[in-house]
Order: sequence, then structure tokens, then C-alpha cells
Amino acid sequence: KQEVTQIPAALSVPEGENLVLNCSFTDSAIYNLQWFRQDPGKGLTSLLLIQSSQREQTSGRLNASLDKSSGRSTLYIAASQPGDSATYLCAVLRSARQLTFGSGTQLTVLP
Amino acid sequence: DVKVTQSSRYLVKRTGEKVFLECVQDMDHENMFWYRQDPGLGLRLIYFSYDVKMKEKGDIPEGYSVSREKKERFSLILESASTNQTSMYLCASTGFYEQYFGPGTRLTVT
Repeated sequence: KQEVTQIPAALSVPEGENLVLNCSFTDSAIYNLQWFRQDPGKGLTSLLLIQSSQREQTSGRLNASLDKSSGRSTLYIAASQPGDSATYLCAVLRSARQLTFGSGTQLTVLP
Repeated sequence: DVKVTQSSRYLVKRTGEKVFLECVQDMDHENMFWYRQDPGLGLRLIYFSYDVKMKEKGDIPEGYSVSREKKERFSLILESASTNQTSMYLCASTGFYEQYFGPGTRLTVT
């Protein structure tokens, strides 16, 4: 059974810092990996999608990498801002388009 | 832009009531999903549908049923609501790969 782990569960950084969020998964037979952002009480917003054949994806200040063989993905946020404060979730796509989610990292960027 | 909408943002129901949560997507996606999200447990898949009138159980289907009569609409039904079904319910749809989520419905069962 696929398990997805995100460490740390919570992270607090000063504004302007570069930071890395980690995601690991137990079964490397995945179709893709998706990173989401969730603001309190809201739905999920898709940030980046990495196909299983890709190594990384970039969008603005965000860069996500994927190493299938080691079962790891990282989300790099450059020059963090208070508006980046949210919970970040990673999810891996298993069969039949079903996602398995990690528990998330709650990020706080202090002004 | 893909849009997934859910019928209510907040809902309060009494134990034993029948509850309908509705989800509509506007991108002609074949696959639709219902999740619940609870602190410490993350997102868990309740049911999904890959076509009209087709449904598959997810990881936690007990106490729930679903209906998909039209491609754009996927309903989650709590036949007899219980307090342990108090949760955030999230609907999602997917085209080829990427999943798009609705804003969520916070359901409280008293």
C-alpha cells in the first residue's frame, strides 16, 4: 500500500528565506506527483505536477523535483513571502487516477 | 480555467438526517472524486466515478453513497448522518493527469 510522508509537519521561516519541503513515498511505481497548496478552511490549489518521466517542474518561485528511485520529491520555494503561508500537500498518482496524499507541511512565513 | 464548485461552503445537519453534497465541474472531465479531510488523518478518498452512472469505492466508503447522473455533476449522499461524519468534504475532477479541487464543504453533524 502506497504511503506518503511529509516532513516537517510545520515550518516557520523569516520572510526572504529560501526553503525546501520534503515528500517521500514508499512505492516508486507512480504515474505522477502533484504539489498542492491549501489555505485555512479552503480547497486545494494545484501548484505543480511532475510526470513520472520528469525530474523537475518550475513555476515562478516554485521548483519541484522528483526522484522516483529513492521515492522522494522536494518543493523549493525561493525568496519566501508572508503570502506563501499555507499548508503544502504532496500527492502521488496510483492506478485509476487515484491520489494518495501526505499529511502536509504547515508553512508560516514571518514578516 | 477549470472550475469545480460545491453546493455549500458550510452545512449543519442533525444526526439521522439524509444529506446531499453536490459537486459540479465545467471542464467535461470524466473522472470525479469525493474526499474527506480530518486533522491528523489527511485527505481520504470516499468514492470516485470514471463515467456517468459508474462509481468505485475509495478507501472509506462506509456510510456514504454517490450518484452521477450527468457527466458534470457528482453527488455525495449521507443516508443517515452521524457525528463521526463531521468533516471537511472536498470534491475533485481530473482530465488527463492533474486533479482540480472545489472549495470544500464544512459539514457539522450535531
